[in-house]
Amino acid sequence: GIQVEQSPPDLILQEGANSTLRCNFSDSVNNLQWFHQNPWGQLINLFYIPSGTKQNGRLSATTVATERYSLLYISSSQTTDSGVYFCAALIYNQGGKLIFGQGTELSVKP
Amino acid sequence: GAVVSQHPSRVICKSGTSVKIECRSLDFQATTMFWYRQFPKQSLMLMATSNEGSKATYEQGVEKDKFLINHASLTLSTLTVTSAHPEDSSFYICSAPGLWNTEAFFGQGTRLTVV
Repeated sequence: GIQVEQSPPDLILQEGANSTLRCNFSDSVNNLQWFHQNPWGQLINLFYIPSGTKQNGRLSATTVATERYSLLYISSSQTTDSGVYFCAALIYNQGGKLIFGQGTELSVKP
Repeated sequence: GAVVSQHPSRVICKSGTSVKIECRSLDFQATTMFWYRQFPKQSLMLMATSNEGSKATYEQGVEKDKFLINHASLTLSTLTVTSAHPEDSSFYICSAPGLWNTEAFFGQGTRLTVV
């Protein structure tokens, strides 16, 4: 089955810094999503981005489907950005289930 | 975006008892829902696919008799952890696909502790 790999596994930033999180996937996908898991465990949808670039405030994401990777950019990071960021890939012919990467744990220090 | 509601958010139960977790799509219908499990500091692993009107599809290694799934209606799926043991303690979270089976939406999750 498809493999989803995220890097880096951990990241520590000073407040105000920028960062790039990467997600590689081993096969063509129909859907790629980025999530932020808050300290209570809830998954917050950040981007649904099977291809192209999207921006939402200080966050933006780019997926290059032909090269099988996606990037999540966080600019001017804030302490509230701390948490775990997951990317997840979906392939329709596998029943519509999401395959998650291992996550990037981000810690933003004041 | 679509809203998926999951209850309870936290439950503590004694070994040997059963616990039911509900997952509801509040503003849309979901013929398919997914149940995931997450251990501390780990990623989400799919347990099973819940199908309205038919049996659930379980991932390899997941005991179907232990984790009973019922998709009672187009807006409700339930996961029952039967004869719970401490090793079943985990974070369980459900999801439902949005329109055209594209973006997935997740419930708030249930933190189960078996004592």
